[in-house]
This record gives sequence, C-alpha cells and structure tokens, in this order.
Amino acid sequence: GENVEQHPSTLSVQEGDSAVIKCTYSDSASNYFPWYKQELGKGPQLIIDIRSNVGEKKDQRIAVTLNKTAKHFSLHITETQPEDSAVYFCAPSGYSTLTFGKGTMLLVSP
Amino acid sequence: DVKVTQSSRYLVKRTGEKVFLECVQDMDHENMFWYRQDPGLGLRLIYFSYDVKMKEKGDIPEGYSVSREKKERFSLILESASTNQTSMYLCASSLRGRYNSPLHFGNGTRLTVT
Repeated sequence: GENVEQHPSTLSVQEGDSAVIKCTYSDSASNYFPWYKQELGKGPQLIIDIRSNVGEKKDQRIAVTLNKTAKHFSLHITETQPEDSAVYFCAPSGYSTLTFGKGTMLLVSP
Repeated sequence: DVKVTQSSRYLVKRTGEKVFLECVQDMDHENMFWYRQDPGLGLRLIYFSYDVKMKEKGDIPEGYSVSREKKERFSLILESASTNQTSMYLCASSLRGRYNSPLHFGNGTRLTVT
C-alpha cells in the first residue's frame, strides 16, 4: 500500500509566524492531494486541495505546493492565528488508494 | 453545505454486545466511508461503500460489518464488541470518484467498550 509520512508531528509557532507541514508519499499513481484540519471534538474538514496537473494553489492565508517528481506536497499557512491551532492531515490519493498521514499538531501561541 | 450526521457522540457498551453506529448524509453523495481514529495510528479505513448495497473492505475490516440500504445512510456494525474496538469512529461521504475526491466528515462517535 501507499506509504505516507507527514512532518513535523508537532509544530509550535508564535501568532503571525508562518507554518509549513510536509507530506511525502510513495504511490506514483496518486493524483489528488488534500489537506484536512481537525479541531478538538470535531471531524476533519477539508481546507485546501490540489490535483496533479497543478503545482500550487492558494486560498487567502493557506497554500499547497506539489512536487510530483519528488513525491511530496506541503501546506503553507502565513500570518498564523490562534484559531489555526488544530491537527492537520494530508491524504494523498488515487483511484484505488487513499492513505492519511499521521497528523501534525499545530499550536499557535498569542 | 454538506452535512454528515452521526447519531451518537458518545457510546458505552459492554464486551460481547452488538453495536450499531449510524451515519446519514444529506447531499446525495455516492460514496460513504467508515474510519477509525486512534492516537498515533491516524485514520484507518474500515469499510467503503460506493452505492446502495455495495461495499468494499478497507484496511481493518475484521470484527466489523456494514449496511447501506439507502443512499443517504451507512451503518457500521460491531457484531460482538471487544475492548480493542474502543476508539473514535468517523463517518465520511464524497460525491463521486471513489477515493480521489473531497471527503466530508461527521463529528465522530467515541465508543468505549468495557
């Protein structure tokens, strides 16, 4: 099956700093690359996604970049705010596979 | 907005009981999923359904079964609950495309088996 690694496992930043989380995958057939945010007591929620024909996508303070050759994609959050504190999961997938990373706990301190 | 509703937030059951976890989605999605979430192990797929009465085993189906009699409803069944099935259970749906389309999750059912 797909081998997915997500780094770092925890990340602490000051409010206003940037945060970057990286996801590495093994299956070259993966063609859909989403990031999910899970707040305490809630289910994961899609925050941004990218497909394999695009290298970068941005939505206000968050962006995702994809390097298909190297098989990794990253979540970038700029101007972090306390409400960004949550666990973030990558989930690279193809037609017949979907594997979640183990998650990154992001803590934004005021 | 898609809404995925799981019938219970918390459940406490005894070993050996038959347990039903219910999930309903309101957006006519083709696909529905049951995941289990455990600390350090992330989200693991138990079962996937791509149509009414159609299902596929995920990564950890042992000890579980599912039922999808109507498009909007997907049930997870623990035939004889065991303590190692204590976990957070998450239901999700997606519009189409099997695995490579956005997932919409419910808020989870925390099951404790004593």
